[in-house]
Amino acid sequence: EVQLVESGGGLVQPGGSLRLSCAASGFTFSSYWMSWVRQAPGKGLEWVANIKQDGSEKYYVDSVKGRFTISRDNAKNSLYLQMNSLRAEDTAVYYCARVGDFGGLWYFDLWGRGTLVTVSS
Amino acid sequence: AIQLTQSPSSLSASVGDRVTITCRASQGISSALAWYQQKPGKAPKLLIYDASSLESGVPSRFSGSGSGTDFTLTISSLQPEDFATYYCQQFNNYPFFGGGTKVEIK
Repeated sequence: EVQLVESGGGLVQPGGSLRLSCAASGFTFSSYWMSWVRQAPGKGLEWVANIKQDGSEKYYVDSVKGRFTISRDNAKNSLYLQMNSLRAEDTAVYYCARVGDFGGLWYFDLWGRGTLVTVSS
Repeated sequence: AIQLTQSPSSLSASVGDRVTITCRASQGISSALAWYQQKPGKAPKLLIYDASSLESGVPSRFSGSGSGTDFTLTISSLQPEDFATYYCQQFNNYPFFGGGTKVEIK
């Protein structure tokens, strides 16, 4: 079955760190750009970060630059998001998403079910 | 950054109605626009890409149109399973989503 499964969410204090993981299965993980997209409670969707197939290119939304790091391990079919210096406004469901094969355009054709990150004291 | 404005933010409709949602970009984005459907507690699902191309497996009652700055998502005959929130997304340098349109039962 083609799927993405996130893990690693939880409650963390402001200023703390958390590492999210995403396990991919059912497709050739190493052939796709991958992304993290988040959704604050009751709010809309916000793209967070992208990583190229071989990890050589990474892009971030301005609000997380310098605090979050996206990475991947193609041998383990896994995507990661290291989140440091967490703030209350980072509270959200974090989705792992696959960037589909759309001629270089970043549309997300496969999504995980998400993992909730809550930043609170 | 290119902003996307969806309208309306919510609407009430009945099963069988024709529903149209609009998405306006602050700058021209050619046809680099997608539409997603999200049901409560679920992940988004890609419906339309490149403004008008139907993703595989998506019912043909969904259609998209537009280019440049003005785009529409149309549901030709609303079905019970279509009650959800719909988001547009542009790709111009970086992905950015519109604020969403919630389609509710009248």
